[in-house]
Amino acid sequence: GAGVSQSPRYKVAKRGQDVALRCDPISGHVSLFWYQQALGQGPEFLTYFQNEAQLDKSGLPSDRFFAERPEGSVSTLKIQRTQQEDSAVYLCASRGTGQQETQYFGPGTRLLVL
Amino acid sequence: AQSVAQPEDQVNVAEGNPLTVKCTYSVSGNPYLFWYVQYPNRGLQFLLKYITGDNLVKGSYGFEAEFNKSQTSFHLKKPSALVSDSALYFCAVRAALNAGNNRKLIWGLGTSLAVNP
Repeated sequence: GAGVSQSPRYKVAKRGQDVALRCDPISGHVSLFWYQQALGQGPEFLTYFQNEAQLDKSGLPSDRFFAERPEGSVSTLKIQRTQQEDSAVYLCASRGTGQQETQYFGPGTRLLVL
Repeated sequence: AQSVAQPEDQVNVAEGNPLTVKCTYSVSGNPYLFWYVQYPNRGLQFLLKYITGDNLVKGSYGFEAEFNKSQTSFHLKKPSALVSDSALYFCAVRAALNAGNNRKLIWGLGTSLAVNP
């Protein structure tokens, strides 16, 4: 597959549990973004990586949210001690060089915290 | 402040009729503008973008958009709507450079397009 993939597609967690969401970007894409999309809303930026470097994490809503991309490819978004307000779709996007800013999105992970 | 506005929550159009989904923006510097479409339980699919050049941009599935600098608008259009075009449409603008130089996208709230047979 040539697109961005995310896993799991759906995740149900009990409040207080930790979750880990995975993103496999398009091969060779340097930039990787995480967004949070609440029901009926547009995506909200969470964090950005260029290769393995996390250059912007200004959108992470609290210190319970943590993202990493240790080898500059696969990225994991971790949410500790989940709360009900964390329920949303988490979208990952990647962008290559020389593509004039176009971000390509994965299908998202729908997280429901009970 | 940088922002994107999609003034219509929902647009209804009959199949075969032209459609317009509106978007206005506010951003410092030259804007990079995008339209994405989202089908139920699917990710965002890129439709088209304006970076520079001709104000009329053509994209996927017969969609086009017109950049209007004076009105700070980037409306999405299609001459003849299909039932299969029914989906959620998002307009986005690239933010100005920040310390991270990440070119993050600022998004509108989306417009639900319903094409009736």
